[in-house]
Amino acid sequence: QVQLVQSGAEVKSPGSSVKVSCKASGGTFSSYAINWVRQAPGQGLEWMGGIIPILGTANHAQDFQGRVTITADESTNTVYMDLSSLRSEDTAVYYCARDPNPYSTSPYFDHWGQGTLVTVSS
Amino acid sequence: QSVLTQPPSVSAAPGQKVTISCSGSRSNVGNRYVSWYQQLPGTAPKLLIYENNKRPSGIPDRFSGSKSGTSATLGITGLQTGDEAEYYCGTWDRSLSVWMFGGGTKLTV
Repeated sequence: QVQLVQSGAEVKSPGSSVKVSCKASGGTFSSYAINWVRQAPGQGLEWMGGIIPILGTANHAQDFQGRVTITADESTNTVYMDLSSLRSEDTAVYYCARDPNPYSTSPYFDHWGQGTLVTVSS
Repeated sequence: QSVLTQPPSVSAAPGQKVTISCSGSRSNVGNRYVSWYQQLPGTAPKLLIYENNKRPSGIPDRFSGSKSGTSATLGITGLQTGDEAEYYCGTWDRSLSVWMFGGGTKLTV
């Protein structure tokens, strides 16, 4: 039974950084990709980027260029998403999601974490 | 403004059928598989359909997916009040090298 368990809610000040974790259990951690998707209050879903842990290579959306860092720790089956220079518009629920076919040209997300609310406020 | 266009809302009576469209372009829907996600209020999204028309284990056959050209469609038959949710399509855009979601469609039963 695949499970993705995320770290708890965070409240951050503008200009600071936040690091959200996503710990996977079940399945073979290194054989799939973990992506990050966020959802601002009352808004739709926005893909941020992803990583294939066995390769350690990450990609991300241009909108987050220079602000997002996605890393993986194979020893603990955990993926991290670090978002810097936070602004109020970054207030959102952040989800991790598994792509079971990372080498496909058509990824999809079959398991999701429970979500982590990040609030950016002065 | 999402590159994948969905109707903001659809509605139908219990027991009826509804379809939700997802319109894109040749760089995304036209050349990649489409997946569909259901998001019940206050919960994480859930995969309903992948690779255009495949259902993950546990998803009832009331849910179906299809694709033609640059448009994809989610169909739901035998509507139940528990189907009230936001539905999102998604796919990879090969030109922008990004994953993208549609803007979401709110289903009212």
